[in-house]
Formats: sequence, structure tokens, C-alpha cells
Amino acid sequence: KAGVTQTPRYLIKTRGQQVTLSCSPISGHRSVSWYQQTPGQGLQFLFEYFSETQRNKGNFPGRFSGRQFSNSRSEMNVSTLELGDSALYLCASSLGDPLRRGIGPDTQYFGPGTRLTVL
Amino acid sequence: AQSVTQLDSHVSVSEGTPVLLRCNYSSSYSPSLFWYVQHPNKGLQLLLKYTSAATLVKGINGFEAEFKKSETSFHLTKPSAHMSDAAEYFCVVRTPGGYNKLIFGAGTRLAVHP
Repeated sequence: KAGVTQTPRYLIKTRGQQVTLSCSPISGHRSVSWYQQTPGQGLQFLFEYFSETQRNKGNFPGRFSGRQFSNSRSEMNVSTLELGDSALYLCASSLGDPLRRGIGPDTQYFGPGTRLTVL
Repeated sequence: AQSVTQLDSHVSVSEGTPVLLRCNYSSSYSPSLFWYVQHPNKGLQLLLKYTSAATLVKGINGFEAEFKKSETSFHLTKPSAHMSDAAEYFCVVRTPGGYNKLIFGAGTRLAVHP
């Protein structure tokens, strides 16, 4: 079974521009989560989508947004880029079925990430 | 609120010696805990997860972790380190409620020397 794929793998943008990152989850997975990884702040949760609906959001400004399509693929968008947005953006997929509550934690599988550099 | 604290930012061991990476958690609920590993320029790979079925959890590549509620700890161990174990390791807690928000520790960088 193919893993989580993220495109592009590397991006270079300038301040003020916007960027869109894409994530394709493992086949059959309906939940997609996004994380930002920086040397200073570590790994931080951005948001989670399940069945095209955002069901959880981290503490990031409104410049960060996302969406999920009917095939579970997800995109995240960052508008008006700032230097501090330079980071590795990781996407994770899982089955995400809320009825699993009580069965055990739903395992998240991570993609290789998109390295965004803002100049 | 949920949180995890990784007690060592760097750990250095010799090949063939035991590995101990320490993690303490804070949770108001029975926690869901994980260990992930990240090799350079790679994504995160799940090593193991605590599901409350057993306090000693076995993972991939010979790693295991023991959940100790009395000590609020979930330390990661391996009896014998291999050069390929050199990587960054993250202790992770999942927020309750059936959703998938993970809270990561700051990470422990493991160096393995020949």
C-alpha cells in the first residue's frame, strides 16, 4: 500500500507571496492532519480534516488555511508569507473514524514533508 | 491540558550498549502515548503506541516502552544500539476526544558511536 505523499518536496518563496501544499493520504484513510516543524518551536499541530470538514485547529493565524476534497486529498495554503513561515510542513493520515473511540488510538502515518523556505 | 516533556535533548551511546530515552507526560485523562522517530530529511515513523492494553509496549526495530502511571513516565528503551538508530525521537501524546491532534515533545537526538 502506498504511503502518504506530499508535493512539492521543496519550495522557495518570497515574503508576501502565497503557497499551496498538497497531501495525498494512504488509500482508505479519511483523516488528514497538518503539522509545522521548525527548529525553534518544534512540531506544532496546524489542523485536521475528516470527510472534508475541519474538526480541529491549532493556534496559528488565519493566514494558514486548508481544505480536504472528497477523495480525502488535502491542501494547505499560507497567504502573505513571512520569514518565520520557513519550516518543514508534515502531513499525516489516519483512518480517522470517530467511532473508534475506546478501541485505541488511531495511528497517524506521516509523509516525507514539504520544505518551505521564505526569502 | 496534555503535555509531554523529554528529559534529554541529546543522548550519546556506543554501538551495542543500551538506549534509554526519557519522557514524562501530563494528562488529566488516561493518555494515548506514542514514540515516533525521524531520520534526517525524512518524515516521522511510528515506533510504538500505548493502547492501555499492556503497560510494556513493544515496537519496531527492537524498541520498547513502559507506561508507568505512578511516575507519569513513558520511557523508550532498546537493549543494544545500532548505528542505524541514530535519529531524532519524539514522545507524543494525543489529545482526548476521538480526534487526531498530537502534542509533541521537543525531541531527543540520539547519537550512536562505533
